[in-house]
Amino acid sequence: AQKVTQAQTEISVVEKEDVTLDCVYETRDTTYYLFWYKQPPSGELVFLIRRNSFDEQNEISGRYSWNFQKSTSSFNFTITASQVVDSAVYFCALGPLIQGAQKLVFGQGTRLTINP
Amino acid sequence: EAGVTQFPSHSVIEKGQTVTLRCDPISGHDNLYWYRRVMGKEIKFLLHFVKESKQDESGMPNNRFLAERTGGTYSTLKVQPAELEDSGVYFCASSQDKGPRPGTEAFFGQGTRLTVV
Repeated sequence: AQKVTQAQTEISVVEKEDVTLDCVYETRDTTYYLFWYKQPPSGELVFLIRRNSFDEQNEISGRYSWNFQKSTSSFNFTITASQVVDSAVYFCALGPLIQGAQKLVFGQGTRLTINP
Repeated sequence: EAGVTQFPSHSVIEKGQTVTLRCDPISGHDNLYWYRRVMGKEIKFLLHFVKESKQDESGMPNNRFLAERTGGTYSTLKVQPAELEDSGVYFCASSQDKGPRPGTEAFFGQGTRLTVV
């Protein structure tokens, strides 16, 4: 069975602080995708990143960075110098490495609040 | 380019009534997915269409739920009769036929919040 755990239900920090959102996954598949989505107050899920299981290199995109460690089955997300606009619910997800298939297993989400 | 759109954004119905949710995927996306998030829990997969065909409906909770995608364009998800435990946010997503090139990830709509009272 596949499972994604986001142990942090809610996080609240002051603007400009760095914050890390944890994601731990379980799968018996040897190849898979990992995702992060952001859900702002408007409700839609906004795609942030997709990483395949072959690539353990960390990725940085502006203030966002992701740390994928296969040895610990973790795919953590760090926001550097957080801003109020980063306030949202963030979901980590696991999906098959199959062309055209996006059957995702989501974690419960972490509600991030950035206070001014 | 328009994203995935869902109608209505919010629906409140009484137990036993019928509700139909609609999803318009991004034009040209053959894959369409329905997901549901119930009260603060994880988002769970319901089913997957490839064009008008149901590819995987393993996540559908029971036979009170019926999904269709006539003509392979928009999709509807009908709940009949609705029960209290059906309350939640229903998300629709679409993706291109071929992956995993950039741009072939799933794009989600804003969801329909269903409240059954």
